Amino acid sequence: DAKTTQPNSMESNEEEPVHLPCNHSTISGTDYIHWYRQLPSQGPEYVIHGLTSNVNNRMASLAIAEDRKSSTLILHRATLRDAAVYYCILRDCLIFIWSDYKLSFGAGTTVTVRA
Amino acid sequence: DVKVTQSSRYLVKRTGEKVFLECVQDMDHENMFWYRQDPGLGLRLIYFSYDVKMKEKGDIPEGYSVSREKKERFSLILESASTNQTSMYLCASSLGGSYNEQFFGPGTRLTVL
Repeated sequence: DAKTTQPNSMESNEEEPVHLPCNHSTISGTDYIHWYRQLPSQGPEYVIHGLTSNVNNRMASLAIAEDRKSSTLILHRATLRDAAVYYCILRDCLIFIWSDYKLSFGAGTTVTVRA
Repeated sequence: DVKVTQSSRYLVKRTGEKVFLECVQDMDHENMFWYRQDPGLGLRLIYFSYDVKMKEKGDIPEGYSVSREKKERFSLILESASTNQTSMYLCASSLGGSYNEQFFGPGTRLTVL
């Protein structure tokens, strides 16, 4: 999988928006951009994914740059429950090797939400 | 909502014991995964199954085996537990295809004494 780069940490106040950047300058045309998060002592949780267009769901929005070399996960109103490690990864839709079905997380961005 | 359940949240076993970790998903997903997660090492794939009775080794299969007799259930077996298998074990499932989102269970924290 192509590499992604994220800041180590970000802080936010409760009920304020959080913008989490992710750089993926070597992204290929068949790579989907996926975001997961992991709350303390819990399993990872899928957040959102996209290919080219911006995407919205009940949890977050994903804004994808026109050249696809970067993206931003947007949490519109942070709550204390959003404090987690957020992972940005690329998933190739043309994988033919079983072992590449796995998820590989980097260090991610640790989000702290202040009450 | 997709639900992935794991048989235990916490488990303590002794060295040499046989350990069974069960995972059940309720969304008819083709793919199921077993990972372990350790501080500083991230998520590592142990085994992957893409269909009933089908399995593929992941990055660290040594000391583990798996069983998938029914589509909704994927079991991880530690034949003879060792202290270096103390870890958080995570089960996940997804629809067929390589890039679909994976849904994780809450995890089992296994301690081997």
